[in-house]
Amino acid sequence: DAKTTQPNSMESNEEEPVHLPCNHSTISGTDYIHWYRQLPSQGPEYVIHGLTSNVNNRMASLAIAEDRKSSTLILHRATLRDAAVYYCLGGSNYKLTFGKGTLLTVNP
Amino acid sequence: NAGVTQTPKFRILKIGQSMTLQCAQDMNHNYMYWYRQDPGMGLKLIYYSVGAGITDKGEVPNGYNVSRSTTEDFPLRLELAAPSQTSVYFCASTQLTGSGTEAFFGQGTRLTVV
Repeated sequence: DAKTTQPNSMESNEEEPVHLPCNHSTISGTDYIHWYRQLPSQGPEYVIHGLTSNVNNRMASLAIAEDRKSSTLILHRATLRDAAVYYCLGGSNYKLTFGKGTLLTVNP
Repeated sequence: NAGVTQTPKFRILKIGQSMTLQCAQDMNHNYMYWYRQDPGMGLKLIYYSVGAGITDKGEVPNGYNVSRSTTEDFPLRLELAAPSQTSVYFCASTQLTGSGTEAFFGQGTRLTVV
């Protein structure tokens, strides 16, 4: 399974954009890059996924490097409700394995 | 739709006891998963299933068993509970489409083994 590397923690201010990086240098050519987040005391929830092109949805944007060895999750305007652990999954499309993720703190 | 439902929400077991964690989904998803999450850590995959009658080991399968007799249900069995199995357990399901996947998670079962 492809290994992903994320910073342990990041901090942001409310209403500012947040860029969460992920390295997945061993990802195969057909594996999608998935992002999930886990709010305190809850199960993980899906955020976004992509293969090669940048992707946008109502929650976030996903920017994928041209060589697919890294990606960045972009929260355009962080709110206090975005404080969570963000997980980048870069392995098998069906055997979903999680790393330690990035703890995002949002300051008011 | 209820999504993914886990029962019970909380349970305390004594060492050596056994129990089954229930997981049910009403989305007709073919893939289902069991994870455990220890305090301050990420999720570890215990077992997963790609359809009724088919299961496979994840990263940490020792001490657990699963079965998948129907599309909807994916119970996780602990036969001889040990303190090391104290954790929060999450069940998830998804429908693999060939264009990535959005998995849905239950709210978790908090298990304490004493």
